[in-house]
Amino acid sequence: QSALTQPASVSGSPGQSITISCTGTSSDVGGYNYVSWYQQHPGKAPKLMIYDVSKRPSGVSNRFSGSKSGNTASLTISGLQAEDEADYYCCSYAGSSSVFGTGTKVTVL
Amino acid sequence: EVQLVESGGGLVKPGGSLRLSCAASGFTFSSYSMNWVRQAPGKGLEWVSSISSSSSYIYYADSVKGRFTISRDNAKNSLYLQMNSLRAEDTAVYYCAREGGDPFFDYWGQGTLVTVSS
Repeated sequence: QSALTQPASVSGSPGQSITISCTGTSSDVGGYNYVSWYQQHPGKAPKLMIYDVSKRPSGVSNRFSGSKSGNTASLTISGLQAEDEADYYCCSYAGSSSVFGTGTKVTVL
Repeated sequence: EVQLVESGGGLVKPGGSLRLSCAASGFTFSSYSMNWVRQAPGKGLEWVSSISSSSSYIYYADSVKGRFTISRDNAKNSLYLQMNSLRAEDTAVYYCAREGGDPFFDYWGQGTLVTVSS
């Protein structure tokens, strides 16, 4: 149950696009189409942004999109806005457990 | 409106016990699997445990196996986490989270802080 690997930080200017990677193994990310992404602002509970690799819950902006290739999943935020500044975590099903990523701090310059 | 409200956190000495509760409302609690996820101060999220809708399937992270017990009472719309033999590394905010059908967490509570310290 090792944590999935994410970059510690990613930054971009307003309006730009950024991509956060999430690397696991064939036992988690690569083995199932059950990758989800969560946004967390300081002091707040996480919020679901993407589920089942690329599906967006109702109410989540279409500026957020997800994909997966092999053992690596990705979250792309297009048209970056100030409110997107937060921590982002990926999560994958791993059989009888779930495993989160190490987390990525997104900074809007 | 879906609501999850955790309670029961606090300060406990190493080796001690604590029972967390999560009160659910706004959905048919008995139809959903539920989970506990924790976050140590300044650290990332860590999945702790899950329980299926009828309590038939229960899973734990290796870090808490044998010390923590998850349970639920569908008649009371409540989820629980009994934590025994607590260690300093169990210090964290504990969130309860609803599993939205597939393995993802669509609703989260506000969290309850557990501090293990002498």
